This record gives sequence, structure tokens and C-alpha cells, in this order.
Amino acid sequence: EAGVAQSPRYKIIEKRQSVAFWCNPISGHATLYWYQQILGQGPKLLIQFQNNGVVDDSQLPKDRFSAERLKGVDSTLKIQPAKLEDSAVYLCASSLEFGADTQYFGPGTRLTVL
Amino acid sequence: QKEVEQDPGPLSVPEGAIVSLNCTYSNSAFQYFMWYRQYSRKGPELLMYTYSSGNKEDGRFTAQVDKSSKYISLFIRDSQPSDSATYLCAMSGGAQKLVFGQGTRLTINP
Repeated sequence: EAGVAQSPRYKIIEKRQSVAFWCNPISGHATLYWYQQILGQGPKLLIQFQNNGVVDDSQLPKDRFSAERLKGVDSTLKIQPAKLEDSAVYLCASSLEFGADTQYFGPGTRLTVL
Repeated sequence: QKEVEQDPGPLSVPEGAIVSLNCTYSNSAFQYFMWYRQYSRKGPELLMYTYSSGNKEDGRFTAQVDKSSKYISLFIRDSQPSDSATYLCAMSGGAQKLVFGQGTRLTINP
């Protein structure tokens, strides 16, 4: 079974630039999550999708971050414009069902904002 | 006060030692408790999953949950160099989002 795929693996941009990350979840997984993991901290949920609908985006900085999951499969997370404090690893995870089901994580995209 | 507190370490022990990792939490609604292992430059992978209070054992790993004290633990017996990683506790109330601890960086020295 293929795992959660993410690209790119690394990205370096300057502040005020835009960046987009892509995630392809495990086939058949209805729920998709985007997390932000700042160095030395645990992952923090940014947004959760159930199929192509948003379940929770309470911690997403909506003035600069946006995410979509068209057709209920893969997803993109965009930052526009980026700030220095956005430097982090952006992790995508998926689970079969909504709720307390096991989440499977991708390798992450490491973003550096200069 | 953070919802989940975890000592970030780092923790360094010799091979074969018993390792104890711990988290405390403040939200009494948490019912599902997990431990994730994260190797450098990799995503977290689920190690142990426990519902409510009690113990769960899987090979060299034992997870304990004490809901009355709002305290969870992960024990690693006969630790190996391959166990060197960051260990993250995580918990949720079911339909609620997963809340992670800060992670403890563990090194097992041969």
C-alpha cells in the first residue's frame, strides 16, 4: 500500500513570496489533514478535510494560508505572502474515517523563508 | 498552560536500558492516547494507540494511561540504537482534533 505522498520535499523562498505544497493521501482515505511542525515542537493542525469539505480550519491563518481538496482526493496548501515565522515542516496526513481513526503521515515539506 | 506537556529532553541512554517517556494533559475530554515516533526528516509514524485508561503492550513497548492523574507514559524495554528518534505523545476526544506534545528527542548509545 502506497503511503501519503508530498511534494516538494524542500522549498526555500524569500519573505512575501508565495508557495504551494501538494499532498496525495492513501487511496480510499476520506479524511485529510495539514499540520505545521515548527522546529522543536509537535505538529499543529492547520486544516482538516472530510472528503472535499472542511471540518476544522480554526488554526489556519486565513489571511495568508489557503487550502483546497478538489474532488476529495489530493490537496494543496498555499501560503501567500510568506513570513519568516512560516518556516516549518508542513505535514500532510490521512485517515480512513473521521474521528479518532489512525492518521498516516507523509514525509513533509520543509519550508525555509528567508 | 498548554493542553499537552511533554519534556523535550534530549534524553540519552545506553543500549539495553529501560526508557520512560511521559506526557501530562489538562483536557479531561481526551479519551484516545497515542505515541508517535518520528525519525529525522521523516513524518511521524504511529507506535501505540490506547483508548481510555490502562496498559497496552506491544513487543518492547508498553503504553500506560492514568486518566485520574491526566498522565500517560511510554516504556521501551531493551532499548536499541534504532529506537533513537523523537517520540511524540498525542491525544484527542474522538471527534476533536489530535493535539500533540512537544516531542522528546531520544538517543540510544551503543
